[in-house]
Amino acid sequence: DAKTTQPTSMDCAEGRAANLPCNHSTISGNEYVYWYRQIHSQGPQYIIHGLKNNETNEMASLIITEDRKSSTLILPHATLRDTAVYYCIVRPRNRDDKIIFGKGTRLHILP
Amino acid sequence: NAGVTQTPKFRVLKTGQSMTLLCAQDMNHEYMYWYRQDPGMGLRLIHYSVGEGTTAKGEVPDGYNVSRLKKQNFLLGLESAAPSQTSVYFCASSYASLLGDTQYFGPGTRLTVL
Repeated sequence: DAKTTQPTSMDCAEGRAANLPCNHSTISGNEYVYWYRQIHSQGPQYIIHGLKNNETNEMASLIITEDRKSSTLILPHATLRDTAVYYCIVRPRNRDDKIIFGKGTRLHILP
Repeated sequence: NAGVTQTPKFRVLKTGQSMTLLCAQDMNHEYMYWYRQDPGMGLRLIHYSVGEGTTAKGEVPDGYNVSRLKKQNFLLGLESAAPSQTSVYFCASSYASLLGDTQYFGPGTRLTVL
């Protein structure tokens, strides 16, 4: 079973910030939170990851709660090209372990 | 840098036929993965490899075999294809790091089994 819970779908107006939540209440201390997205018919694309501190890169920001049981991916100024399925994954530092992608959140950016 | 490449891009098989999907990466990554994705589903891990000469089972390994004879290549084999194996197959690779590992995905192979 997936270790994360995400809403099935979300809408966001173009130009606004898109906030995608993820629950990972059983996360353990050595597990990272990763976000990927998959634009229709393409391979998944890495967005960002973090352990316990908030992270920001050129694509997005990742906010992780203090208890690490949930996180939010923020796309600061959503464009139509951000329409995709977004996957939240928890991944142990020991990578000799299975990765569960789950079904993700289908984000629709509305013009 | 080509990144992760997959061949072929499309294939149609008849039930019972065999085939091999090839994944190649030029990033010197230790880890490689094979996933399948069915309509409306997320990615499911088939098999993965943590280094040359090693493989391990993922979530849905039945009906597939893999080999990692060279670090840069990861092969996925279907010995006797079944219609249930109709899917899009994605390969990925990653570099082992104490800061975590980012997976880089290939463009996918669309397989139809009739």
